[in-house]
Amino acid sequence: SSELTQDPAVSVALGQTVRITCQGDSLRTYYAGWYQQKPGQAPLLVIYNKNNRPSGIPDRFSGSNSGNTASLTITGAQADDEADYYCNTRDTINPRVLFGGGTRLTVV
Amino acid sequence: QVQLVQSGGGVVQPGGSLRLSCVASGFTFSNFGIHWVRQAPGKGLEWVAFIRFDGSDQYYVDSIKGRFTISRDNSRNTLYLQMDSLRNEDTALYYCARDGPSRGPLIDYWGQGSLVTVSS
Repeated sequence: SSELTQDPAVSVALGQTVRITCQGDSLRTYYAGWYQQKPGQAPLLVIYNKNNRPSGIPDRFSGSNSGNTASLTITGAQADDEADYYCNTRDTINPRVLFGGGTRLTVV
Repeated sequence: QVQLVQSGGGVVQPGGSLRLSCVASGFTFSNFGIHWVRQAPGKGLEWVAFIRFDGSDQYYVDSIKGRFTISRDNSRNTLYLQMDSLRNEDTALYYCARDGPSRGPLIDYWGQGSLVTVSS
């Protein structure tokens, strides 16, 4: 399969840790990227190549992967982290980019 | 700083055409491939097309093959998406997005989006 699967919604208590996962066969070959998207805004890269953060992304964001699953972990979630999160990677079969369906994170 | 500034969205009838533009600044445009990614209202991100840094190859999602054409003018630092034979299901916010550097992220920077509405 050339798809990426994410849970549609996840919630976390303020200050607690949350893990958002992304599953797909392509993740056995390529790293995932993770994007945060807030309402009315373009996506923002938060993690790439398993666990690299672009400049300006807080270190409470981290990534990992195991087998066909990539994970984004937010340690000490803040109210500002409430957003949609998307994973992406390359397709191993066709020259295209795969996106997960997105996970809506609610901070309660 | 890297910027991708988009223009060209609008309302068009089914079967009509529209061209989106994306002007890049803050980096050497001719060194980077560029993607188009779209997002239907209330839906997730969908990759649409990609063009290599020199325009030598283009790739498309199956649903738009033969209807959309991605192109670039490196002398003008500009990316285009020509959309023909538009359908209702093409209604979406279209983003241009930079292909990341070697050994970097797949997509790093995004434009602000251009809204395309296909409706009679």
